[in-house]
Amino acid sequence: AQRVTQPEKLLSVFKGAPVELKCNYSYSGSPELFWYVQYSRQRLQLLLRHISRESIKGFTADLNKGETSFHLKKPFAQEEDSAMYYCAPKRGYNKLIFGAGTRLAVHP
Amino acid sequence: NAGVMQNPRHLVRRRGQEARLRCSPMKGHSHVYWYRQLPEEGLKFMVYLQKENIIDESGMPKERFSAEFPKEGPSILRIQQVVRGDSAAYFCASSPQGPESGYTFGSGTRLTVV
Repeated sequence: AQRVTQPEKLLSVFKGAPVELKCNYSYSGSPELFWYVQYSRQRLQLLLRHISRESIKGFTADLNKGETSFHLKKPFAQEEDSAMYYCAPKRGYNKLIFGAGTRLAVHP
Repeated sequence: NAGVMQNPRHLVRRRGQEARLRCSPMKGHSHVYWYRQLPEEGLKFMVYLQKENIIDESGMPKERFSAEFPKEGPSILRIQQVVRGDSAAYFCASSPQGPESGYTFGSGTRLTVV
């Protein structure tokens, strides 16, 4: 079955430490992948998409087709990065499928 | 542009009652998606609609749940004869041209069934 896996429910780091939020997918072909973020008491919002190869708020994500991964990385975490992060491959032309999410907690 | 508007923000229903959740997409967006988030779980796709059409309802439970997006007015997610297991946060998202253009999410409706 096609699915997306975010193996860590919680990732806890100190400010300034590197961060990697893992995402693995099992989709065939060439899926398009997104990362969404939900800050406390705010709505879910798009963080970045792999097709644009952009860096948002210092975060980057590289699609690794060999490992079928799309890990989200940031070299130096900030306290304001604390949030829920969702990996979301696009399945077909219809909808995004979200992973279970990883809560990132950045401590001072 | 007020963004995606969902109402009510909180809805309490007794078992057996009906719940109606509304979603007004962003201006210019004609694609609407509904997701459900159960406690401690991620977002689960429910249904994808365009104006007056259901495109994909593969995530909708077979009974009691229905969705519509009429030509005029908001999209409605309707749950008949609610049960405790329906308690969840229901999120609506919209996009201008389908998923490839990225979603804009609403703040969600938290349904509590007592």
